[in-house]
Amino acid sequence: DTGVSQDPRHKITKRGQNVTFRCDPISEHNRLYWYRQTLGQGPEFLTYFQNEAQLEKSRLLSDRFSAERPKGSFSTLEIQRTEQGDSAMYLCASSPRVHGELFFGEGSRLTVL
Amino acid sequence: QKEVEQDPGPLSVPEGAIVSLNCTYSNSAFQYFMWYRQYSRKGPELLMYTYSSGNKEDGRFTAQVDKSSKYISLFIRDSQPSDSATYLCAMRENTGNQFYFGTGTSLTVIP
Repeated sequence: DTGVSQDPRHKITKRGQNVTFRCDPISEHNRLYWYRQTLGQGPEFLTYFQNEAQLEKSRLLSDRFSAERPKGSFSTLEIQRTEQGDSAMYLCASSPRVHGELFFGEGSRLTVL
Repeated sequence: QKEVEQDPGPLSVPEGAIVSLNCTYSNSAFQYFMWYRQYSRKGPELLMYTYSSGNKEDGRFTAQVDKSSKYISLFIRDSQPSDSATYLCAMRENTGNQFYFGTGTSLTVIP
């Protein structure tokens, strides 16, 4: 499968714990995005990487959130001290070119108890 | 006011019907327009990608963009039960890195 891969698909955690999600983009895509989606809403932009550089972050990305993309390949999104309001689907997407479309992974669903 | 407005539905049609899904937007700088299909608990799947105004057809799907009215549409012909999903519109400016999404329209095609 050469699509965007995300892991884990579902994470259940207790409030206050840290969680990390991984995204492997389509191999030739150098642009990588993280989005968050809650029930009944469209995806909301979190952050954007071009190669290994994090070029844009949303105001939604509080200090508890951090994203990395070492070596411009896979990316990780870490949430520290999770809160119940962090419960959502975290979507990773990659794009092949400057004005290219987004190709999404299946998402990582986070449930914070 | 949200950047992108989309009627959440739900929309229910009989099999074989023509479905019309729509989004409006406020930012005249949007140049690239996309439609995604999202099944429950899955990631969005790209259906159509268009630049600026005009029509684009792909099989049973037709995307229309009317930039003068800030209005985009997706038409599904001969709808099938497998088309039952949430449809998201998305758009972006020529510059900038963000894609802006509608809230999605839930569609059910009844056999």
